[in-house]
Amino acid sequence: DIQMTQSPSTLSASVGDRVTMTCRASQSIIRWLAWYQQKPGKDPKLLIYDASSLESGVPSRFSGSASGTEFTLTISSLQPDDFATYYCQQYNTYSFTFGPGTKVDIK
Amino acid sequence: QVQLVESGGGVVQPGRSLRLSCAASGFTFSTYAMHWVRQAPGKGLEWVAFISYDGSITNHADSVKGRFTISRDNSKNMLFLQMNSLRTEDTAVYYCAKAKRLQWERDVFEIWGQGTMVTVSS
Repeated sequence: DIQMTQSPSTLSASVGDRVTMTCRASQSIIRWLAWYQQKPGKDPKLLIYDASSLESGVPSRFSGSASGTEFTLTISSLQPDDFATYYCQQYNTYSFTFGPGTKVDIK
Repeated sequence: QVQLVESGGGVVQPGRSLRLSCAASGFTFSTYAMHWVRQAPGKGLEWVAFISYDGSITNHADSVKGRFTISRDNSKNMLFLQMNSLRTEDTAVYYCAKAKRLQWERDVFEIWGQGTMVTVSS
């Protein structure tokens, strides 16, 4: 099975900061990677799919990129609503693995 | 409006069974793959099971294989998860989720339900 890792596990930042987090796949997943945002007590929200496509309705400050088996989620200017946990997920196989998450909290 | 509503959660003893349901509305249910995902208290997301739009393909996570079974009734716009031989480690919020693209099998999870809590405890 494909394993997904995320770094860092926790990221402390301030409003207005540019924030970057990384997700790595244990083998090639081509570009079949998504990013989700989850707030406590809420269901996850799709942000990015196919590594770099922005989901409809998601602010343009979110962007995704890919290089081999390494994927990056960037928030260009962190807003108060963005403090949450972010999960990556591969859908290259019929085992849809999630990463362990990156929690973005207030510095 | 696309909506997924899970039900069937509750408290159950180890070794017993439970059946979760997910009622879909606002889209043509029979043309989208569906999933179950769970989240143990304070933990991350764990994919549990997948079913193709027509029910011809299913897959389950190794952690539930042989104990859980995903199914769907396209005539009733319903998704199910039959959970047998429950263990304490199955305690989690269970979400159903809809694939994004028409008839795609390996696809992102576009819409999620609000989740239903399953607690396995003696």
